[in-house]
Amino acid sequence: GAVVSQHPSRVICKSGTSVKIECRSLDFQATTMFWYRQFPKQSLMLMATSNEGSKATYEQGVEKDKFLINHASLTLSTLTVTSAHPEDSSFYICSASFSGVDYEQYFGPGTRLTVT
Amino acid sequence: QKEVEQNSGPLSVPEGAIASLNCTYSDRGSQSFFWYRQYSGKSPELIMFIYSNGDKEDGRFTAQLNKASQYVSLLIRDSQPSDSATYLCAVNSNTNAGKSTFGDGTTLTVKP
Repeated sequence: GAVVSQHPSRVICKSGTSVKIECRSLDFQATTMFWYRQFPKQSLMLMATSNEGSKATYEQGVEKDKFLINHASLTLSTLTVTSAHPEDSSFYICSASFSGVDYEQYFGPGTRLTVT
Repeated sequence: QKEVEQNSGPLSVPEGAIASLNCTYSDRGSQSFFWYRQYSGKSPELIMFIYSNGDKEDGRFTAQLNKASQYVSLLIRDSQPSDSATYLCAVNSNTNAGKSTFGDGTTLTVKP
């Protein structure tokens, strides 16, 4: 149980375009989803916390107008990287939680974004 | 001081040995503790979680929690080359809206 999918797994786009990444919890209802970014050989960096039906909470330094997050249902959250630039190239990972303090996070397989 | 600290490693152990991974945290209000494994180029996967002081065993893995000393550890018995990965310690507290604070991870290499 507790499977999280992400789509696409890999995407290459041109500078200035927008890219949408989907995160789905397949066998449970995820009250909370998290979006992370990870550069090579670096640690996970939390970008935002997303709760179903409400606006995402962004971490300090993350541009909310550039990284649009929508959590429309208990099983789907999307991250849109708007006007992508080469420096946005990274590994984007979502995770889903049942919510609450004690609950572990289940990670999606990640999306590798390359902006040319 | 980081909220969650781990030795970055690399930690190298021979196959069959016990690997010991340590993590300390600064928030005394922390309530739940997690260990994730991340293979190179992949996303993290949950290995174990622990909420109460003491030991929790699951197969070859044992998590140990000492809230008074604010540390949590992961022991891997009979280490295998397939255990070679980065191990992330994560901590949740009731002041953090369910978010996990992650350590930077310890890279483990198990040599055949």
